[in-house]
Amino acid sequence: TQLLEQSPQFLSIQEGENLTVYCNSSSVFSSLQWYRQEPGEGPVLLVTVVTGGEVKKLKRLTFQFGDARKDSSLHITAAQPGDTGLYLCAGAPRGTSYGKLTFGQGTILTVHP
Amino acid sequence: GAGVSQSPRYKVAKRGQDVALRCDPISGHVSLFWYQQALGQGPEFLTYFQNEAQLDKSGLPSDRFFAERPEGSVSTLKIQRTQQEDSAVYLCASSLVLAKTQETQYFGPGTRLLVL
Repeated sequence: TQLLEQSPQFLSIQEGENLTVYCNSSSVFSSLQWYRQEPGEGPVLLVTVVTGGEVKKLKRLTFQFGDARKDSSLHITAAQPGDTGLYLCAGAPRGTSYGKLTFGQGTILTVHP
Repeated sequence: GAGVSQSPRYKVAKRGQDVALRCDPISGHVSLFWYQQALGQGPEFLTYFQNEAQLDKSGLPSDRFFAERPEGSVSTLKIQRTQQEDSAVYLCASSLVLAKTQETQYFGPGTRLLVL
């Protein structure tokens, strides 16, 4: 059983559409992070959400941390082909003494021109 | 370069061979992590170093896996008697200070290992 469940696992959309990726857990997290990974590269941090209910925006990307700090979502507005990649949520469950990250299984996003 | 580097980028091994994977973290970074990533999946934690001390090796799948960071900078992940199930991308990440849950980890490009 994954500690962090991401959905959907695959997403194929046309340029200009909106999409939301979900990251859910039964555990409480001190913070959650979202990464984007391109083929042949390592994950690159997009954002860290820390406070329950927090919303952060990064251009066309909006990240939300659930009030109970057990879930998060990533919303992309007007997707572009450059958004194509593997999106990963990750976090360290509350009580973890250092940054040992647990990752979700990822969402593979393909944006067609 | 300014980022985390890993070598080799690709490694093909015959089943039973030993392999050594190298990670050069960002200079001055105290914390270093190794993760294993299966195709189309998220990375899974293998081990954690704080300087030269290996503080957590709970994610290493078997005693065939061994990691070291003798001088607190470069780290090597060694896999003995490789098996087909070891085929994966091995990622290294480093962070500047004593790793806390919010501390940014910078990932290298990974080493893709294929065991035939």
